[in-house]
Amino acid sequence: GAVVSQHPSRVICKSGTSVKIECRSLDFQATTMFWYRQFPKQSLMLMATSNEGSKATYEQGVEKDKFLINHASLTLSTLTVTSAHPEDSSFYICSARNRIQSSYNEQFFGPGTRLTVL
Amino acid sequence: AQKVTQAQTEISVVEKEDVTLDCVYETRDTTYYLFWYKQPPSGELVFLIRRNSFDEQNEISGRYSWNFQKSTSSFNFTITASQVVDSAVYFCALSEPYNQGGKLIFGQGTELSVKP
Repeated sequence: GAVVSQHPSRVICKSGTSVKIECRSLDFQATTMFWYRQFPKQSLMLMATSNEGSKATYEQGVEKDKFLINHASLTLSTLTVTSAHPEDSSFYICSARNRIQSSYNEQFFGPGTRLTVL
Repeated sequence: AQKVTQAQTEISVVEKEDVTLDCVYETRDTTYYLFWYKQPPSGELVFLIRRNSFDEQNEISGRYSWNFQKSTSSFNFTITASQVVDSAVYFCALSEPYNQGGKLIFGQGTELSVKP
């Protein structure tokens, strides 16, 4: 149980295009999903917190108009990188918190999406 | 502010050696959770353990053990008789209380290399 999937696992795009990454909780409902970015040899940095049915909360320094987050259902959140540039190349990881077990504060992580912008 | 420090950036050991990964945290919350994750080269985070702030019991799971010391704000992780498959980056993380958002703050990570 508690499986989170991400699609795609890898994506290569040209500079200036937009890329959408999906994060799905497969066997549980997630009221909250988190999006992280990880550059090579660095730690995970939280980009935003996504709550179902409401606007995402972005961390300081993260451009909300560039990284669009939609959490339309209890099992799906999407991150769209708009007008991607080479500096956006990174490993993007989502996590989801189980609605029922929220009090345990455990986040279940997706396998990550490696974005390369040429 | 909350902070997690993993002072060891890289550790290299030979197979069968024991190795301890250090984690020191800072928080003003009285209720919080601590985690350890393993990130192998594939990139996917693997959950290892969760500990809440009221449970200072040490834990052992196979070759893994954890030492939680609230007095020194440390949550260290020991691998006994290390194996090549233990090679990965290990992250310690601190979670703020759920009713405050429950965000995870990660340490910088320790890259463990176990050589045969």
